Amino acid sequence: KNEVEQSPQNLTAQEGEFITINCSYSVGISALHWLQQHPGGGIVSLFMLSSGKKKHGRLIATINIQEKHSSLHITASHPRDSAVYICAGGGKTIQGAQKLVFGQGTRLTINP
Amino acid sequence: NAGVTQTPKFRVLKTGQSMTLLCAQDMNHEYMYWYRQDPGMGLRLIHYSVGEGTTAKGEVPDGYNVSRLKKQNFLLGLESAAPSQTSVYFCASRDTAYTEAFFGQGTRLTVV
Repeated sequence: KNEVEQSPQNLTAQEGEFITINCSYSVGISALHWLQQHPGGGIVSLFMLSSGKKKHGRLIATINIQEKHSSLHITASHPRDSAVYICAGGGKTIQGAQKLVFGQGTRLTINP
Repeated sequence: NAGVTQTPKFRVLKTGQSMTLLCAQDMNHEYMYWYRQDPGMGLRLIHYSVGEGTTAKGEVPDGYNVSRLKKQNFLLGLESAAPSQTSVYFCASRDTAYTEAFFGQGTRLTVV
């Protein structure tokens, strides 16, 4: 069992729909990262959060430390939101560097 | 405004050949990381560095070597490439052990 599990693995929706991607983790973490990867592209950091909620434009990330669960929401989804979304937990610090544990990613496709 | 730059972006190697991947960051970050990304798996840490002149092994270090002679550059070397090293390689940097991670655009390496 992976230490960081995302669901769903694949998600297809119509433009304008409200999107939720979930991330559950079994390790103790100090922060949870949400990343975005467009096809053939690099990885962009969307959020890093350790409690509560953060919002940036149409993207909202929430975390519940007690339940070891985080969600990424996209409001009014658009085809340009089509990408792979990755969550990563910032866990143990080893030799001074915090190890990030990555989920396998959720492939989101938004159809026009 | 470059952030993290990886070179090259694509490369095809023959088994047994060697090559070096370069990661350069212009944010004066202390921490730098090399990951590989394979289908169906989350990003896996190859090697990392907590500062100029330091390197350490990650989860999957075998077959790779690294050097951090200058703070802004983190080099990943393959001495004798194998088909199992076919992957997409990502470099990342962080200001401290607990801050947002910035990723490069990735290097797609194929070993035939």
